[in-house]
Amino acid sequence: SQTIHQWPATLVQPVGSPLSLECTVEGTSNPNLYWYRQAAGRGLQLLFYSVGIGQISSEVPQNLSASRPQDRQFILSSKKLLLSDSGFYLCAGSGQIYGYTFGSGTRLTVV
Amino acid sequence: AQSVTQLGSHVSVSEGALVLLRCNYSSSVPPYLFWYVQYPNQGLQLLLKYTSAATLVKGINGFEAEFKKSETSFHLTKPSAHMSDAAEYFCAVSGGDYKLSFGAGTTVTVRA
Repeated sequence: SQTIHQWPATLVQPVGSPLSLECTVEGTSNPNLYWYRQAAGRGLQLLFYSVGIGQISSEVPQNLSASRPQDRQFILSSKKLLLSDSGFYLCAGSGQIYGYTFGSGTRLTVV
Repeated sequence: AQSVTQLGSHVSVSEGALVLLRCNYSSSVPPYLFWYVQYPNQGLQLLLKYTSAATLVKGINGFEAEFKKSETSFHLTKPSAHMSDAAEYFCAVSGGDYKLSFGAGTTVTVRA
């Protein structure tokens, strides 16, 4: 079965600082990988998805970027954080037909 | 394109009472439908999924959902609420392209 590892669990960063959130996948080869952001009361917003190494699709224009340097590694980054980047970030993978496995999330607070 | 609408952002039930969470979908192709549960500061856990087999789907923790094509609905139910059911619940739809679209979520509180 597929397991998604995400870290850190919580992060407090100043405005203008860089960001790197890492997600790794265990138990599946060549998974589709996704980054979602969850803001309070606003559901889940798909930020990026990747169908393979080096292949990134962006769903919404924003201050963030994503990379997939290895099959089972997906990274969410920013060069300069904004206050509006605060939220709960979730990584997900879909190595089986139709359905996601989620990581435990990272709570990012930009101050 | 696919989308879901969850009716009611908050639902409050008494312990032992029926839990009913409503979800309506829109899809241009036969949909695959999911319900997830999220506890505070945790990721989402799959409760159940509909993938064109039986229209009544049973999931974990006593939850079940029925796919009704004529009503474009996939409502989630549990006959008897437990305090541990207090969480946020998300309905999601996929059109077969491996991308899920989520509803805005319904927060369930359970009264003793």
